[in-house]
Amino acid sequence: EAEVAQSPRYKITEKSQAVAFWCDPISGHATLYWYRQILGQGPELLVQFQDESVVDDSQLPKDRFSAERLKGVDSTLKIQPAELGDSAMYLCASSHPTVLSYTFGSGTRLTVV
Amino acid sequence: AQSVTQLDSHVSVSEGTPVLLRCNYSSSYSPSLFWYVQHPNKGLQLLLKYTSAATLVKGINGFEAEFKKSETSFHLTKPSAHMSDAAEYFCVVSDLGRDDKIIFGKGTRLHILP
Repeated sequence: EAEVAQSPRYKITEKSQAVAFWCDPISGHATLYWYRQILGQGPELLVQFQDESVVDDSQLPKDRFSAERLKGVDSTLKIQPAELGDSAMYLCASSHPTVLSYTFGSGTRLTVV
Repeated sequence: AQSVTQLDSHVSVSEGTPVLLRCNYSSSYSPSLFWYVQHPNKGLQLLLKYTSAATLVKGINGFEAEFKKSETSFHLTKPSAHMSDAAEYFCVVSDLGRDDKIIFGKGTRLHILP
């Protein structure tokens, strides 16, 4: 079964450092999502792409977060500088509307120390 | 605009007894509805989905959910709880094929008592 690939699986970084996460969606899935899940809470959308275009980044803290999907395939989410409050699970998902489903990756667990 | 409300933040049941996790939704269109499960330190796993076909949806691990448009509900049930069912469950509403927005509920933590 096709999967959404994310790396790294775990990341520990010091406060004020830069960190980046990578996501490779299922082939053919035009829509890609980045979610942040703080421990004990539900996932919250950070950014949604349709192909290479940003559809929704209203909840993305743009002073420190950036996301790109240059060729409309894989995507990178960056945080610079990282803050203690950024410690969370970062989840990537992709969807194909004609299949009417979407798939989540295993996530990247970020710990900022 | 869409929204989803999970009515219980925690549910405790004894092993072998029925499970009911409640979810209400709001959507301007005919929504797609999903239930996901998340075990500690794990990713999200799809349990089942409703996409305007049969209103009673059967999923993995013995779970099922019924779409009730008149009640705007999509409650998750299982006849007999197992210890391995202890996890966080998320109800999700989406307008896939329209704006592709995915909205999560806040989650329900299911505890299984021995």
